[in-house]
Amino acid sequence: TQLLEQSPQFLSIQEGENLTVYCNSSSVFSSLQWYRQEPGEGPVLLVTVVTGGEVKKLKRLTFQFGDARKDSSLHITAAQTGDTGLYLCAGEDFGNEKLTFGTGTRLTIIP
Amino acid sequence: DVKVTQSSRYLVKRTGEKVFLECVQDMDHENMFWYRQDPGLGLRLIYFSYDVKMKEKGDIPEGYSVSREKKERFSLILESASTNQTSMYLCASSFPGPTIEQYFGPGTRLTVT
Repeated sequence: TQLLEQSPQFLSIQEGENLTVYCNSSSVFSSLQWYRQEPGEGPVLLVTVVTGGEVKKLKRLTFQFGDARKDSSLHITAAQTGDTGLYLCAGEDFGNEKLTFGTGTRLTIIP
Repeated sequence: DVKVTQSSRYLVKRTGEKVFLECVQDMDHENMFWYRQDPGLGLRLIYFSYDVKMKEKGDIPEGYSVSREKKERFSLILESASTNQTSMYLCASSFPGPTIEQYFGPGTRLTVT
């Protein structure tokens, strides 16, 4: 079973600060997705990255897929309280529609 | 608006009981999935289905079974609930193909006492 380790597991920062969350694996994935989950809800897709080295931006969120397609990062600029939630990365196997989810990063933005 | 619904938000069952968790999607998706979510472990795949009456084991199928008699409905069955099955259970669905978004239900928090 492939494993995706996310770090940090918990992160609490002040509103307006920047932060980076990491998603690492020893396995190669065909694509990688990032989801955000709010309390009482299921995860919701934020972005999919497909190409090694790819960078995607979603307003203040920047996602990067590692060159070797084994890792990814999520950078948030000027965090807002609305960014609070559980962030999950998920890797897709080649030729397989299953996702392997990461261990999660619980982010709290303090006003 | 896409929708995945789960039959219960909270469920309390006793050890040894048979438990049914129901999931319904209204998006005509072929693929459906059952995960359990535990702190520090992320989401782990229990079973998935690519089509009606088809099922595949995920990473942690022991103690669970599934049923998919209709395209829109995917049921998770705990034949004899045990305390280590206390968890949050999430259902998801998607169209087939690579890099496809999975849509999740709100989850069922199951407690087995």
